[in-house]
Amino acid sequence: EAQVTQNPRYLITVTGKKLTVTCSQNMNHEYMSWYRQDPGLGLRQIYYSMNVEVTDKGDVPEGYKVSRKEKRNFPLILESPSPNQTSLYFCASSTRDRGRVVGELFFGEGSRLTVL
Amino acid sequence: GEDVEQSLFLSVREGDSSVINCTYTDSSSTYLYWYKQEPGAGLQLLTYIFSNMDMKQDQRLTVLLNKKDKHLSLRIADTQTGDSAIYFCAETSSVSGSARQLTFGSGTQLTVLP
Repeated sequence: EAQVTQNPRYLITVTGKKLTVTCSQNMNHEYMSWYRQDPGLGLRQIYYSMNVEVTDKGDVPEGYKVSRKEKRNFPLILESPSPNQTSLYFCASSTRDRGRVVGELFFGEGSRLTVL
Repeated sequence: GEDVEQSLFLSVREGDSSVINCTYTDSSSTYLYWYKQEPGAGLQLLTYIFSNMDMKQDQRLTVLLNKKDKHLSLRIADTQTGDSAIYFCAETSSVSGSARQLTFGSGTQLTVLP
């Protein structure tokens, strides 16, 4: 089954304790991205990756890191989480069709993070 | 930067039509999308429309685009309880419709009442 898998789905942590949210897709997609969803603000892009070893900042990258060492994986790293990073996080991937990246994103189920 | 706006809530009776509205500011938008988010799940693409189209119909869904007013709407005919979800409008000005450059609205929570 084609899917984007995120882990953990739920996490409560404390300020300053490093954490990683993993994301894996089995569709051989070149493009992967991380979003955060906050009430009334919709989805805001954190980081994205056009392909292996190619990453770039989205709209709200502060406090986050990513890496893309393999095509299928795109982990999100919070080196020193703070309470304002409490949010619902989504990983998404997309294919490149005939040299174009089509606008259909495939989303994971989300990771709800609480930072105390 | 680009902005996409939606009302936050909409309630309709089962069997009625729902109309979810969206306005955007980017006059160079090329593709506009509607995504659906069911409770506890990620977003799924419902439908999309090219900016050179006025309307697109897909079974119970009708998308209307008024490019002059930068207004997009999603009409769901014969709304069912399974249609209860958050609906996100999104746009891109990428000529290739690149997923990299999608701007999402805040989402409209549709509640279908029995």
